[in-house]
Amino acid sequence: DTEVTQTPKHLVMGMTNKKSLKCEQHMGHRAMYWYKQKAKKPPELMFVYSYEKLSINESVPSRFSPECPNSSLLNLHLHALQPEDSALYLCASSQVKAGGQGGELFFGEGSRLTVL
Amino acid sequence: GQQLNQSPQSMFIQEGEDVSMNCTSSSIFNTWLWYKQDPGEGPVLLIALYKAGELTSNGRLTAQFGITRKDSFLNISASIPSDVGIYFCAGGLGYKLSFGAGTTVTVRA
Repeated sequence: DTEVTQTPKHLVMGMTNKKSLKCEQHMGHRAMYWYKQKAKKPPELMFVYSYEKLSINESVPSRFSPECPNSSLLNLHLHALQPEDSALYLCASSQVKAGGQGGELFFGEGSRLTVL
Repeated sequence: GQQLNQSPQSMFIQEGEDVSMNCTSSSIFNTWLWYKQDPGEGPVLLIALYKAGELTSNGRLTAQFGITRKDSFLNISASIPSDVGIYFCAGGLGYKLSFGAGTTVTVRA
């Protein structure tokens, strides 16, 4: 069983809705990540938080807004999404190693998002 | 992210066979990770490699971090039906993981 928990498992939303994806880990990891994965494709990095601060934003559109309230929680707020944003959204966490290395990433089971 | 070339793209294997897949890159990485993903699930970490030349085993799985730091391979010995899935390599630099396109493994019973 994964130690990274994501909710909800499935989400259907309209283009005018506001919703949030939630992620929680209790492994003591201080780096947390959001990835987006389209069908039959590899995961693509969206955001990285290190010690609760946004470290990397891979030029993600502002309709995706990440938040890291504490070291165990990571949220992704969604607003005014497009149908092409439909995908599996994966949360991951890792230790922070010396030199700012991310180490082994542990993924959650993902939230399947459908935008109508 | 940086481009990783993962091959083969797919394979059909006979139960009991040994299989091999690999990833190459034009860039060096500090870590190489191998993941397996089942349909509707998140990727599960199989093996992590941190040193050039490192050879690591996890049960029937063996992986190596290439000496040039630009490649890695994964071997699965004595395939069983539950080995079905998509295997991804990932090269790590800082916080960024670059993923290969994946190898889809289907086992013939």
